[in-house]
Amino acid sequence: KAGVTQTPRYLIKTRGQQVTLSCSPISGHRSVSWYQQTPGQGLQFLFEYFSETQRNKGNFPGRFSGRQFSNSRSEMNVSTLELGDSALYLCASSLAGQGPFNEQFFGPGTRLTVL
Amino acid sequence: GIQVEQSPPDLILQEGANSTLRCNFSDSVNNLQWFHQNPWGQLINLFYIPSGTKQNGRLSATTVATERYSLLYISSSQTTDSGVYFCAGSGGTSYGKLTFGQGTILTVHP
Repeated sequence: KAGVTQTPRYLIKTRGQQVTLSCSPISGHRSVSWYQQTPGQGLQFLFEYFSETQRNKGNFPGRFSGRQFSNSRSEMNVSTLELGDSALYLCASSLAGQGPFNEQFFGPGTRLTVL
Repeated sequence: GIQVEQSPPDLILQEGANSTLRCNFSDSVNNLQWFHQNPWGQLINLFYIPSGTKQNGRLSATTVATERYSLLYISSSQTTDSGVYFCAGSGGTSYGKLTFGQGTILTVHP
């Protein structure tokens, strides 16, 4: 079974631009979560989508948004990019539900550089 | 929300040594996972262990849920074990929201 895939793997943008990252979960997984990793703040939760609805949200400004499609694929968008948005963005998927269905599996990440 | 504290922050070993990494949680969790982050940034699943003990080769993990901590044991360490180890958990209805510790940077010298 294929793992979680993320595209693109690397991205360079300039301040003020916007960016869209894509995540395809493991087949059959219905929950997709997004995380931001920076050297200063570590790994931080952005949001989680389940059945096309945002179920949980972290403490990020409204410039960060996401959505989930009916096939469980997810996208996240960052508008008006700032230098501090440079980070590794990780996507994870799970079957969703209680117990071991909760276990999250991560993709390889998208490394975003904002100049 | 849940706070996660990992220790030690850094660990340097000689090949063949054993080590124990610890993770403390501020509240009860219903999902607890250990990861190894490879040099390219991908998080590799090691254990899903909200309670009890599991073993996988040279690695094992124990979670004492009532005392809100988890331990990751690495025996007979190899240079390929080097990297960053994270624990993460979620509680209540926050199924898709993992809170991560700051990680333990493990360096194994030949």
